[in-house]
Amino acid sequence: SQTIHQWPATLVQPVGSPLSLECTVEGTSNPNLYWYRQAAGRGLQLLFYSVGIGQISSEVPQNLSASRPQDRQFILSSKKLLLSDSGFYLCAWSPPDRGNTEAFFGQGTRLTVV
Amino acid sequence: AQRVTQPEKLLSVFKGAPVELKCNYSYSGSPELFWYVQYSRQRLQLLLRHISRESIKGFTADLNKGETSFHLKKPFAQEEDSAMYYCALSGGGGYQKVTFGIGTKLQVIP
Repeated sequence: SQTIHQWPATLVQPVGSPLSLECTVEGTSNPNLYWYRQAAGRGLQLLFYSVGIGQISSEVPQNLSASRPQDRQFILSSKKLLLSDSGFYLCAWSPPDRGNTEAFFGQGTRLTVV
Repeated sequence: AQRVTQPEKLLSVFKGAPVELKCNYSYSGSPELFWYVQYSRQRLQLLLRHISRESIKGFTADLNKGETSFHLKKPFAQEEDSAMYYCALSGGGGYQKVTFGIGTKLQVIP
């Protein structure tokens, strides 16, 4: 069966520090991968998605970047965190085939920038 | 471009009252529509999808292509239905990209 792991679960970082959140998927190949931010009052916002290794699409301009160094690994990064980067970040994957487009979510990372 | 609109950020209903969570979408092709739910301290998870035409936990949703809507309904709300609900759309093409609405928080008052 497929599983998705996301870590860390919580993170407190000072302003200006770097960020690296990691997400890995097991039990499937060539998944579509997503990073979302879930903010109170703003719902679920798609940040990045990837359809393959090295292929990243950004949905909103921001202080963050994403990379996919391996087929089932998706990393969210920042060189210098801002206070506004605080939030709840969700990684998700969906099957690549058209017939099944359900998205499966990780447990999320609560990021607090202080 | 595909877009999902959930006009209500918060919906409060009394236990036993009917529930309708609104969702409208914009998409030029034939979309797949979903409802996701996130209960307190749990993962976001799929509740139902329009192609299945199923009823999950008493919830149903009908795709109305004329009104481009996919409203989620339940005739009698229960306290355990309190959660965050997201409407989502998946378009076709060479890849799949799931777009979510901003979500509606359902609060069932005992």
